[in-house]
Amino acid sequence: GAVVSQHPSRVICKSGTSVKIECRSLDFQATTMFWYRQFPKQSLMLMATSNEGSKATYEQGVEKDKFLINHASLTLSTLTVTSAHPEDSSFYICSAQRLREPFFGQGTRLTVV
Amino acid sequence: GDSVTQMEGPVTLSEEAFLTINCTYTATGYPSLFWYVQYPGEGLQLLLKATKADDKGSNKGFEATYRKETTSFHLEKGSVQVSDSAVYFCALSDRNNAGNMLTFGGGTRLMVKP
Repeated sequence: GAVVSQHPSRVICKSGTSVKIECRSLDFQATTMFWYRQFPKQSLMLMATSNEGSKATYEQGVEKDKFLINHASLTLSTLTVTSAHPEDSSFYICSAQRLREPFFGQGTRLTVV
Repeated sequence: GDSVTQMEGPVTLSEEAFLTINCTYTATGYPSLFWYVQYPGEGLQLLLKATKADDKGSNKGFEATYRKETTSFHLEKGSVQVSDSAVYFCALSDRNNAGNMLTFGGGTRLMVKP
């Protein structure tokens, strides 16, 4: 069964609004979670590393003010896409490590109209 | 830095054909190697993995051997099925990286025709 749950799986929002995506580790604690982004027909690119109780670490070129990450507990990390634009439309996926193995959420397909 | 290179797709095969998807890597440390599969509209699923040189990962008829001398982790299956149609990602996790984040290859789309 799934060990990392991501919600929602699909979301459509209007330009200028914000969208929150949740990533939960279901039966283990994760001090670190990762957020990836996948453009159509492309590979996954790491956006940021979410650290429980501290600030996230963003990869070069990722706007921290636009992609807000909160990791307030050992089982939940959230990614908020603020002031969304059509170019933010993408597939976002999180992962958490359990027993040294990465597990992925189901992914969230965001469409900004 | 770490990188993963895999053959570009799409790869189109007939059912029961032999599959090879090449994957090579560069890493500064001692990586673990993974193959993930992504079915249409879904997230990533771990297909197989290998954590040290000469290890062979296998699952659902797929195999890959960790070759340190050639820095490769090629994915193979002796007889593909239509249900194997998906995108396959080779990835590495370098133990020198805190938290073991993954570095992915570009993905290879496999299409199996009946």
